[in-house]
Amino acid sequence: NAGVMQNPRHLVRRRGQEARLRCSPMKGHSHVYWYRQLPEEGLKFMVYLQKENIIDESGMPKERFSAEFPKEGPSILRIQQVVRGDSAAYFCASSPPRDHNEQFFGPGTRLTVL
Amino acid sequence: QKEVEQNSGPLSVPEGAIASLNCTYSDRGSQSFFWYRQYSGKSPELIMSIYSNGDKEDGRFTAQLNKASQYVSLLIRDSQPSDSATYLCAVKGNFNKFYFGSGTKLNVKP
Repeated sequence: NAGVMQNPRHLVRRRGQEARLRCSPMKGHSHVYWYRQLPEEGLKFMVYLQKENIIDESGMPKERFSAEFPKEGPSILRIQQVVRGDSAAYFCASSPPRDHNEQFFGPGTRLTVL
Repeated sequence: QKEVEQNSGPLSVPEGAIASLNCTYSDRGSQSFFWYRQYSGKSPELIMSIYSNGDKEDGRFTAQLNKASQYVSLLIRDSQPSDSATYLCAVKGNFNKFYFGSGTKLNVKP
């Protein structure tokens, strides 16, 4: 059973470009969380999604950031017009439909904005 | 006030000693608490969960929860150099939202 998969593992963008991060949850998992981690800091909650539904996006900046989890395919975190402050590690976690206490993390995408 | 607070460390202990990691949280209604281990450059890995007051033991790890004091701790017995990592405390809030502390860096010296 494959774990949570994220790609790309490393992403370099110039200021003003778009960054698109993908997350495929574990098989059978229907809940996806996105977190951002700055160096030497903890995980900051961004958004919580179910298939075709955004449950809680209270941690997402109001502008430039969006997330989706379509019926088919991976969850995508999209950052438009990236700025240097967006440089961070972005982790995705998934949990099964009946046990939200267990979160399994993907390897993360390290975004660097030049 | 942060929802989850941890001492950032680093906490240094000699090999074989007990490492004690502490965490406080602000939401008195929280019911689910977790400890994650994160090696440098890697993703967090769940090592313990605890839901009721008292102690929960799993191998060399013991989680302790005191809801009245809003306090969670993790004890690591017989610490090994391989335990050197950052330990993240997490609290589950309303609507399945998780709050993480900033982590405590643990160094176990051989």
